[in-house]
Amino acid sequence: DAGVIQSPRHEVTEMGQEVTLRCKPISGHNSLFWYRQTMMRGLELLIYFNNNVPIDDSGMPEDRFSAKMPNASFSTLKIQPSEPRDSAVYFCASSLSPQPQHFGDGTRLSIL
Amino acid sequence: RKEVEQDPGPFNVPEGATVAFNCTYSNSASQSFFWYRQDCRKEPKLLMSVYSSGNEDGRFTAQLNRASQYISLLIRDSKLSDSATYLCVVPPMDSSYKLIFGSGTRLLVRP
Repeated sequence: DAGVIQSPRHEVTEMGQEVTLRCKPISGHNSLFWYRQTMMRGLELLIYFNNNVPIDDSGMPEDRFSAKMPNASFSTLKIQPSEPRDSAVYFCASSLSPQPQHFGDGTRLSIL
Repeated sequence: RKEVEQDPGPFNVPEGATVAFNCTYSNSASQSFFWYRQDCRKEPKLLMSVYSSGNEDGRFTAQLNRASQYISLLIRDSKLSDSATYLCVVPPMDSSYKLIFGSGTRLLVRP
C-alpha cells in the first residue's frame, strides 16, 4: 500500500521566493496534518484538516504560511515570501480519525 | 515545566544490552501515550501505543506510571538496527488529534 507521499523531497530556494509543498495522504484517511521539524523546536504541528476542512491552524507561524486541501487526496502548504528561518523539514501525516498518524518522507527545505 | 520532557542522550550501548528511556509529562489527565521511532533523516514512525499500565511487543516494553507521570520504553537484547531517536508523544487532554512530541532520546547501539 502506498504511504503518505510528499513532494518535493528537497527544495533549495532564495529568500523571498514562493515555496509550495505537496502531500498526498493515504487513501481512505480523513485526517491530514502538516508538521515542521527543526533542531531547536523539534516537531511542531502547523495545521490539521479533518474531511478536507481546516480544524486547527493555530500552529501556522504567520500570514506568510497558508495551507489548502481541495480534495481528500491532495494538500499543499505554501510559504510566500520565504525567509531563511523557514528552513526545516516539513512533514505531512495522515490518519483515520485521529490516531495513529502516518508520516510522509518529508520535504527538506533550505531558504538561502 | 515542558509538556513532555525526555533525556536527549545519546545512550551508547553494546549489542545485546538492555536499555531504558523515561519520558515525563505534565498533564496528569492524559490518557494515551505513544512512542515513535525516527531514524536519521527519516520520518517518525509509530513504535508503540500505551493506553493503560503498559504494552509489550517483542523486545520492546512500554510502561506507564500515572502517579509519577512518566512513561518508559525498555529495549531488551539491543540490535544495531535499534539505533535511532525515540520520541515520546502525548496527546493533550483537550484534543484527540493533536500530538505533543518530546524532543527525543537518541540511542546508539555499537557492535
